[in-house]
Amino acid sequence: GEDVEQSLFLSVREGDSSVINCTYTDSSSTYLYWYKQEPGAGLQLLTYIFSNMDMKQDQRLTVLLNKKDKHLSLRIADTQTGDSAIYFCADLNYGGSQGNLIFGKGTKLSVKP
Amino acid sequence: NAGVTQTPKFQVLKTGQSMTLQCAQDMNHEYMSWYRQDPGMGLRLIHYSVGAGITDQGEVPNGYNVSRSTTEDFPLRLLSAAPSQTSVYFCASSYSALTSGGQETQYFGPGTRLLVL
Repeated sequence: GEDVEQSLFLSVREGDSSVINCTYTDSSSTYLYWYKQEPGAGLQLLTYIFSNMDMKQDQRLTVLLNKKDKHLSLRIADTQTGDSAIYFCADLNYGGSQGNLIFGKGTKLSVKP
Repeated sequence: NAGVTQTPKFQVLKTGQSMTLQCAQDMNHEYMSWYRQDPGMGLRLIHYSVGAGITDQGEVPNGYNVSRSTTEDFPLRLLSAAPSQTSVYFCASSYSALTSGGQETQYFGPGTRLLVL
């Protein structure tokens, strides 16, 4: 089946930029998503990108997509302690009768003051 | 709107017991789904529904049943709980099936933490 891979941990200092990377195997991927999960909470959609785009910017967030290498990244500028969370990359997969999300294992971002 | 609500927040079961995890949404969403989250495993889709009366299996459906008699509710039933079902369960919903594209935001509930002894 299709797979989404992420590194498990990232540690940065407050004020630095964070870059969270993701690779996927679905060659027919159309939409890719980034979700944020704070401790003890559900997932919150941060942003998404359509596969015909290379980049999408939304305030402090920049998503870069390299479709040839099937590589997605999320850059958080001026990282704050409130950004500490687990970040999930997800791919919209059409393997079944309907589209469903395939999630990576999540990257835990720790922001040190 | 309350969004997506899940009950209970926590539950401890003994092996072999049955229980139902409740999920409800008040946003008139057609698409609802159940995921389980295990350490180091990310989220895996258990079952989903594209509307009342329609359900389908996800990646890990064994040991779970679902039904969708109303648009609002999508309960998940564990027929005979096993320790392997210890996990955090998330319910999610969106206005329509995700095939309609990235603009369909999927809203997640706060989760149910289940421990099976």
